[in-house]
Amino acid sequence: GENVEQHPSTLSVQEGDSAVIKCTYSDSASNYFPWYKQELGKGPQLIIDIRSNVGEKKDQRIAVTLNKTAKHFSLHITETQPEDSAVYFCAGNTGGFKTIFGAGTRLFVKA
Amino acid sequence: NAGVMQNPRHLVRRRGQEARLRCSPMKGHSHVYWYRQLPEEGLKFMVYLQKENIIDESGMPKERFSAEFPKEGPSILRIQQVVRGDSAAYFCASSPGQGDAEAFFGQGTRLTVV
Repeated sequence: GENVEQHPSTLSVQEGDSAVIKCTYSDSASNYFPWYKQELGKGPQLIIDIRSNVGEKKDQRIAVTLNKTAKHFSLHITETQPEDSAVYFCAGNTGGFKTIFGAGTRLFVKA
Repeated sequence: NAGVMQNPRHLVRRRGQEARLRCSPMKGHSHVYWYRQLPEEGLKFMVYLQKENIIDESGMPKERFSAEFPKEGPSILRIQQVVRGDSAAYFCASSPGQGDAEAFFGQGTRLTVV
């Protein structure tokens, strides 16, 4: 089955700097990769996703890249703000019915 | 369009009692997923249901746990004879279809077993 690994587990950046979170997946059949942001006491919120026929996708300060050959994908947040502080989860889905999540990255943005 | 609704938000049960967690998917969504999140950990898949059918329950413990998604009404995750190790946040997500359809999460039910 699919296994998703996520690094780093904790990331601390200065406000205005960029943050990068990396994930790898094991199942080459995976074709959909969503990213979720979870704030304290709340449910995960979908922030961006990418499908396997695309190498990069951008939405304002957030971008995701996908390298199918290497089986890894990354989340890039530019010009970080204190409200970006949260736990971020990557996930992989083979087009079936089960989305497998990474262990999460706790991002701290220092003002 | 209301989002995924879970209730209760917080649930306290004594060891040995039953816990019932409810999830109403977004309007138009017929696929429901349950995940468990332990403190400081990621989301672990438990079960995937469509209306009146369990599609995949490979992540759900074989004993004491059950799930349903009836034709009418919310999806229910039921934990019988709860133990302290069941304490966690339980999240429900729904999507309009399987696979690469976007899944939206509810706010979760935080179960505490005392």
